[in-house]
Amino acid sequence: RKEVEQDPGPFNVPEGATVAFNCTYSNSASQSFFWYRQDCRKEPKLLMSVYSSGNEDGRFTAQLNRASQYISLLIRDSKLSDSATYLCVVNRQFNKFYFGSGTKLNVKP
Amino acid sequence: GAGVSQSPSNKVTEKGKDVELRCDPISGHTALYWYRQSLGQGLEFLIYFQGNSAPDKSGLPSDRFSAERTGGSVSTLTIQRTQQEDSAVYLCASSLPPKTGKSGGTYNEQFFGPGTRLTVL
Repeated sequence: RKEVEQDPGPFNVPEGATVAFNCTYSNSASQSFFWYRQDCRKEPKLLMSVYSSGNEDGRFTAQLNRASQYISLLIRDSKLSDSATYLCVVNRQFNKFYFGSGTKLNVKP
Repeated sequence: GAGVSQSPSNKVTEKGKDVELRCDPISGHTALYWYRQSLGQGLEFLIYFQGNSAPDKSGLPSDRFSAERTGGSVSTLTIQRTQQEDSAVYLCASSLPPKTGKSGGTYNEQFFGPGTRLTVL
């Protein structure tokens, strides 16, 4: 079983829509959680960390459910510039990061 | 400021040849990671360096792969006798020492370089 699993998508949504992605992780010892964004043929960049209590950064909201071992990312008021692949990342020890294969988002005009 | 740089950006080689990929981390970052990303896949951990500690080589797929980090800064990933399945984007990331996050556990934000796209013919 993969450490981190994501729906590959693509999610095709119109501008202004709200879209949500989930990610599940297999190891209950996972300690820290992140969403990275990766544009086509570019390197991943940190979008936001995911805190136990949930956290929001502008139009982006991240949630963590330890009991069910999943992480979610909600994007409100989607922009064309949000089109990218969103990578779910979990960390077990300080140097052990496990990346999901990503969920592709296409925001259409 | 300067980010993580990698060279070459693209490398095409013939099966059986050796290749060297270079990573220049952000100045002051003590941790350095190498990952591999195949088309449509997530990042696969290869190796991790932290300061002067022994590297974590647990992700290296075979003994054809090796890496070194000289002077705690620049790192070179070497692939000997390349095979077609080695074709991928090789990404390097660097970070500061671990810190404790709000959800517990220690982590450090990784900053990625642009990658080296390796094609083995």
